[in-house]
Amino acid sequence: EVQLVQSGAEVKKPGESLRISCKGSGYSFTSYWITWVRQMPGKGLEWMGTIDPSDSYTTYSPSFQGHVTISADKSISTAYLQWSSLKASDTAMYYCARHGVAAAGPDYWGQGTLVTVSS
Amino acid sequence: QSVLTQPPSVSEAPRQRVTISCSGSSSNIGNNAVHWYQQLPGKAPKLLIYYDDLLPSGVSDRFSGSKSGTSASLAISGLQSEDEADYYCAAWDDSLNGVVFGGGTKLTVL
Repeated sequence: EVQLVQSGAEVKKPGESLRISCKGSGYSFTSYWITWVRQMPGKGLEWMGTIDPSDSYTTYSPSFQGHVTISADKSISTAYLQWSSLKASDTAMYYCARHGVAAAGPDYWGQGTLVTVSS
Repeated sequence: QSVLTQPPSVSEAPRQRVTISCSGSSSNIGNNAVHWYQQLPGKAPKLLIYYDDLLPSGVSDRFSGSKSGTSASLAISGLQSEDEADYYCAAWDDSLNGVVFGGGTKLTVL
């Protein structure tokens, strides 16, 4: 069974750093990309970026480039999304999703990680 | 402002049929497959339709998808109360080199 299990909810202060994770199982981790998606409270889905775990090639949305870093450790089938300096506006639910070839779109999704940034 | 355009909301009575539209451009829908997702309240999105009109295993055949040019549609027949959810379209965008989503459509079953 394909599963993407994300790390738990986080409460942080502005300016702090954070890394959240997404562990894949039930499939060949390096055969699929991992896409990260943001959903702000009461809002829609926003693509943040996509990584190919086989070679760590990453593409970012211009809206998130420079503010987040996406990485992956194929040895433990885990992808990461990290911030070096959080802002209150980063408060959102973050989802990882398995992504086949570009045209295929995300198929299996993680359960989401809620990040709350508040002073 | 989302790259793909969906109506914010639709509503219909139980057992009726509803369609949700998704409009894009030549760099996304016009040149790549469209996928649809259902997001129930408080849950993660779930793949509903992929490659324009294919149903993943386990998805009810009350759901169907279609595409023409730079627009796509999701149809839901025999509406049930459990279909109340947010629905999103998505496609790869060649100019962005990434995924673009519609703004989402909230379905209310009256």
